[in-house]
Amino acid sequence: QKEVEQDPGPLSVPEGAIVSLNCTYSNSAFQYFMWYRQYSRKGPELLMYTYSSGNKEDGRFTAQVDKSSKYISLFIRDSQPSDSATYLCAMRGTGNQFYFGTGTSLTVIP
Amino acid sequence: EAGVAQSPRYKIIEKRQSVAFWCNPISGHATLYWYQQILGQGPKLLIQFQNNGVVDDSQLPKDRFSAERLKGVDSTLKIQPAKLEDSAVYLCASSVILAGINEQFFGPGTRLTVL
Repeated sequence: QKEVEQDPGPLSVPEGAIVSLNCTYSNSAFQYFMWYRQYSRKGPELLMYTYSSGNKEDGRFTAQVDKSSKYISLFIRDSQPSDSATYLCAMRGTGNQFYFGTGTSLTVIP
Repeated sequence: EAGVAQSPRYKIIEKRQSVAFWCNPISGHATLYWYQQILGQGPKLLIQFQNNGVVDDSQLPKDRFSAERLKGVDSTLKIQPAKLEDSAVYLCASSVILAGINEQFFGPGTRLTVL
């Protein structure tokens, strides 16, 4: 079983839609949870960083962590064409090693 | 603040040839990572340095891959000899702890094609 599982998509939505991206994980030692956005031919950039169960909101983005279910989500409200990218979830425990999901490709259609 | 620099951006070689990638992390970042990202997959850690010491190289194929970080600043990753399955984007990242958050900053990557 992989440490982190993520549906690769692709996901295609109309502009203005609410997008839900999800990851599951198996290692209960993971304490820190991140979402990265990766545009084509670019390196990933950090979007959201959480370390506890519950919700964290930043503008149109909401990160949700459920440690009891080992499940994390990223919600994008009022999606824009500029949100079209691959979204990667990542996690780490107390050490410095990050474990990444495979990424979900998102296209927002104008 | 300048970002993580990587070169070259693209490289095409034939199998069994050698190749080297270079990374210059953000100034002051003690931790440096090399990742391999195969098309359609997430980044996989190859090696992690803390200053000029290796913290984790458990997933580095040591029979063909090597990496060094002399003087604890920039780093090189080498593949010798290359195989077809090494075709991937090689990402370098550096990290710093800001307000309790260990944040990684990624470079643009080097896209390697092995023919």
